Amino acid sequence: DQQVKQNSPSLSVQEGRISILNCDYTNSMFDYFLWYKKYPAEGPTFLISISSIKDKNEDGRFTVFLNKSAKHLSLHIVPSQPGDSAVYFCAASARDSNYQLIWGAGTKLIIKP
Amino acid sequence: EAEVAQSPRYKITEKSQAVAFWCDPISGHATLYWYRQILGQGPELLVQFQDESVVDDSQLPKDRFSAERLKGVDSTLKIQPAELGDSAMYLCASSRPGQGANTIYFGEGSWLTVV
Repeated sequence: DQQVKQNSPSLSVQEGRISILNCDYTNSMFDYFLWYKKYPAEGPTFLISISSIKDKNEDGRFTVFLNKSAKHLSLHIVPSQPGDSAVYFCAASARDSNYQLIWGAGTKLIIKP
Repeated sequence: EAEVAQSPRYKITEKSQAVAFWCDPISGHATLYWYRQILGQGPELLVQFQDESVVDDSQLPKDRFSAERLKGVDSTLKIQPAELGDSAMYLCASSRPGQGANTIYFGEGSWLTVV
């Protein structure tokens, strides 16, 4: 049973436009959510996170939105740049599970010039 | 900038052979993780250490996989015997305990191909 789902295996976006990556979760105990970015043959790099007490967190071009009632979060990248082409993983954790990360399968983002 | 060091970066081994991966976490990070990532999937936690003690190894295939962190610093993950299905990227990560999940830092990973 996948607790964290990224239903889009890939997404193609024009350079300069907004990229929106989506993530759904099923476990209502999750209270911390993270996005990681991964280039081929490299380890994931932490990008941005959000606590369940917030509904938005912004860091430069990256904004994460959390909709707890829908159990849905999204990562917005604006404007999209060629260097943003990578696989993006959504992960969730719960305090009562010692913050063990539960990962989605990832979405491959391709930024077209 | 401090990094999690892993070696080797790439390893090709024959089925039934033994293979080992090494990881040196960021200095001062007491928590160390080994993950496995298969292409098209998210990372899967194999084992988590707090200092030298195993905190969680519920997903570690203990018939062929072993992990140790004898002095609570660097760590080794061993597979013996390797099987074709073990081909994956093995990721080591570390974090300070008590600061929440956003402080997990990954190494560059070790690619394993079993032939």
